[in-house]
Amino acid sequence: QVQLQESGPGLVKPSETLSLTCSVSGGSISSHFWTWIRQPPGKGLEWIGSIYYTGSTNYNPSLMSRVTISVDTSRTQFSLRLTSVTAADTALYYCATGTALCYECSVIWGQGTMVSVSS
Amino acid sequence: DIVVTQSPDSLAVSLGERATINCKTSQSVLHRPNNANYLGWYQKKAGQPPKLLIYWASTRESGVPDRFTGSGSGTDFTLTISSLQAEDVAVYYCQQFAPSLTWAFGQGTRVEIK
Repeated sequence: QVQLQESGPGLVKPSETLSLTCSVSGGSISSHFWTWIRQPPGKGLEWIGSIYYTGSTNYNPSLMSRVTISVDTSRTQFSLRLTSVTAADTALYYCATGTALCYECSVIWGQGTMVSVSS
Repeated sequence: DIVVTQSPDSLAVSLGERATINCKTSQSVLHRPNNANYLGWYQKKAGQPPKLLIYWASTRESGVPDRFTGSGSGTDFTLTISSLQAEDVAVYYCQQFAPSLTWAFGQGTRVEIK
């Protein structure tokens, strides 16, 4: 069974770049979509973007100018890079992926990592 | 950009009664080549990652109780909890993930016990 684990700094300064990694264990990264989702405190889920294992990406239009998602098949991990962060980017960040029954669905989730943007 | 709107924002239902949540997308998520509606429903409880309940609008994920039912097609969808249990208290989200569209979640519907 595939398992996901997010990692990265818990605190980022305003205007800097947020970088998170999702490590994949128990399965191959060479299939399905790999997705980043976040939840700001007290708010709903926000889809950030997804990458197909081939490298094709799909981003939330509201974040598109600042976000990059990449996949490293050799290291079985995928990453999120969000530039020019502000306090509005403070959130619990999740990585997720689908299964053979639904490549696009977020079936398997990491536990999430909290990122605060503050000086 | 596709917009996903849920209604109501919250509802309170007595134990054993039916809960109904609606989800509307601004564009059709029915993918004609495979006749699949690219819409899912998730349950979010505090302190836990979201849990997929329903995909392809009406397919129940493995292990999900059969009191959860998804229906609808095109732009209008419904999640029904046929007999609300205490453990169903949560926030429910629909999400569209259609090909060639940017994906999006609805704003969420909070379900409580009356």
